[in-house]
Amino acid sequence: AQSVTQPDIHITVSEGASLELRCNYSYGATPYLFWYVQSPGQGLQLLLKYFSGDTLVQGIKGFEAEFKRSQSSFNLRKPSVHWSDAAEYFCAVGPNSGGYQKVTFGTGTKLQVIP
Amino acid sequence: DTGVSQDPRHKITKRGQNVTFRCDPISEHNRLYWYRQTLGQGPEFLTYFQNEAQLEKSRLLSDRFSAERPKGSFSTLEIQRTEQGDSAMYLCASSLPDPKAGELFFGEGSRLTVL
Repeated sequence: AQSVTQPDIHITVSEGASLELRCNYSYGATPYLFWYVQSPGQGLQLLLKYFSGDTLVQGIKGFEAEFKRSQSSFNLRKPSVHWSDAAEYFCAVGPNSGGYQKVTFGTGTKLQVIP
Repeated sequence: DTGVSQDPRHKITKRGQNVTFRCDPISEHNRLYWYRQTLGQGPEFLTYFQNEAQLEKSRLLSDRFSAERPKGSFSTLEIQRTEQGDSAMYLCASSLPDPKAGELFFGEGSRLTVL
């Protein structure tokens, strides 16, 4: 069964500092990988996705993530955090073949940004 | 593209009552998902439709829960004889067919409080 682990429940960074949110997945083959962001009172929004090809993917709002097959990881990064980035971030994994299509989410990492 | 809409946004009910939530997906999306999210957790898969066919139900979904998508457009999620443990945010998402099926577009959710 597919699963996602986000080891950090809560992270605090200073505005302007760099950010890395960790994600490890378990899946039998090469998965589709996603990062979603959820701001208070808002629905989840897709930040970026990895399907295949270049293992470094760029997303919206200046975020990027790197797929590392050897480490089963898909960590999210941003070089300089803005106060508006404060939100909860979810890593997700989905199957990369046709048919059954269930996306499994991690438990999330809540990001706090301090001045 | 008006996005995924859910109704009602908030529902407060007494234990034992029935509640129904509605989801209107993005019009060209043939896949529709229901997730449940509780505080401090990531979205938890409940069920999934492709067009009007319900292709999977989570084992976590008791027989008090039923979902329909009668014409392959909007969907309803009904909870019968609600219990306090049903209190959660119920999220609807839709997506395009594979290979982009894992890219989910979420509504803002329907928050259920069972007293």
